[in-house]
Amino acid sequence: DTAVSQTPKYLVTQMGNDKSIKCEQNLGHDTMYWYKQDSKKFLKIMFSYNNKELIINETVPNRFSPKSPDKAHLNLHINSLELGDSAVYFCASTIGAGGQDTQYFGPGTRLTVL
Amino acid sequence: QQQVKQSPQSLIVQKGGISIINCAYENTAFDYFPWYQQFPGKGPALLIAIRPDVSEKKEGRFTISFNKSAKQFSLHIMDSQPGDSATYFCAAPTNFGNEKLTFGTGTRLTIIP
Repeated sequence: DTAVSQTPKYLVTQMGNDKSIKCEQNLGHDTMYWYKQDSKKFLKIMFSYNNKELIINETVPNRFSPKSPDKAHLNLHINSLELGDSAVYFCASTIGAGGQDTQYFGPGTRLTVL
Repeated sequence: QQQVKQSPQSLIVQKGGISIINCAYENTAFDYFPWYQQFPGKGPALLIAIRPDVSEKKEGRFTISFNKSAKQFSLHIMDSQPGDSATYFCAAPTNFGNEKLTFGTGTRLTIIP
């Protein structure tokens, strides 16, 4: 049974479109994250939610809007997609809200903006 | 902004050799230094972590060495195998208050026969 799952795995879209990525974890964890990994493999945190409450927002453009309907789900909606948004987006979860908990990553969503 | 500097960017090691990847940090929220391993097309996964009441932690062929005064830590892979070929990330907990992991820039390790 997959611990952290994301859909879709691949997303190809045109500039200016709006798209969403969904994430679910079945680990019973309290905290979920979105990371962006660019073409150089840099892994950068975007957001984190603890029990549906936003606790980290890393100066991401407000075209990106995370939503956590419950603590097992964290979705990412992106408006007006730009070429620079092309990357792999990873969802992750941890048992607590601290930086010393093991991060469990999903398989990633490769977003390509044309 | 807090940085975690990782080197080298890429590393080629012969099978059976020792692979060494280094990281340096500025400040941490607390002493906890993990290494994550990422295979192509997969998400990163925790490989090994150290909570430095000790200066070294070993798990099988993987060892973390930690130098608190120098603010550096490193990953050693003994008897490197082709299956170890992956990208490795060090990380440190930063951002006092809302702790998060700041990842290093990654090292692409290739083990050649």
